[in-house]
Amino acid sequence: AQSVTQLGSHVSVSEGALVLLRCNYSSSVPPYLFWYVQYPNQGLQLLLKYTTGATLVKGINGFEAEFKKSETSFHLTKPSAHMSDAAEYFCAVSQAGGTSYGKLTFGQGTILTVHP
Amino acid sequence: EPEVTQTPSHQVTQMGQEVILRCVPISNHLYFYWYRQILGQKVEFLVSFYNNEISEKSEIFDDQFSVERPDGSNFTLKIRSTKLEDSAMYFCASSLQGINTEAFFGQGTRLTVV
Repeated sequence: AQSVTQLGSHVSVSEGALVLLRCNYSSSVPPYLFWYVQYPNQGLQLLLKYTTGATLVKGINGFEAEFKKSETSFHLTKPSAHMSDAAEYFCAVSQAGGTSYGKLTFGQGTILTVHP
Repeated sequence: EPEVTQTPSHQVTQMGQEVILRCVPISNHLYFYWYRQILGQKVEFLVSFYNNEISEKSEIFDDQFSVERPDGSNFTLKIRSTKLEDSAMYFCASSLQGINTEAFFGQGTRLTVV
């Protein structure tokens, strides 16, 4: 079984400040990890993903995340927040291989607010 | 850029009525999914569909739910007799290869059961 915990349902930062959204996962098999973003009235858009290889992955809009197996974490960061980053962010995990057909298990989401 | 489209964007239905939510996945994708998000809760997996059959389903996906790919382009979710607790945002998604490829999501259908 897999699960995802996102620490903090709401995060508020000032424009230009560091963005850090926390995600911890639980998986009995090697995971694939994803961050999705949802802007108001839109669908979920992939920001970045980790499958294999380099543990620091870069995504769109200047976001990056680091897979830390020892900490079972996949935190999302951005060095400098922009007003346009205000959205809801979802961390998700899927099972690498086995009988999985790509089913995603999501965290509860973190709403990011960016203040001028 | 190819995208997943869902119709309608918002549907209101009376309790006990049947609803069909429609999705057009990206044309060369092979794996299809439905997820739902009850207001204030997590996005939850409902079902995955591959090779014209259900490949995996959650415990939420009981006999009241069914999926179909009737014509090679549309992918539908039917709820036979809606309950108040079925009110949620329903997301359709598709992916090219399933496991290690990106799932592309539609904008969602907000279903309100009254």
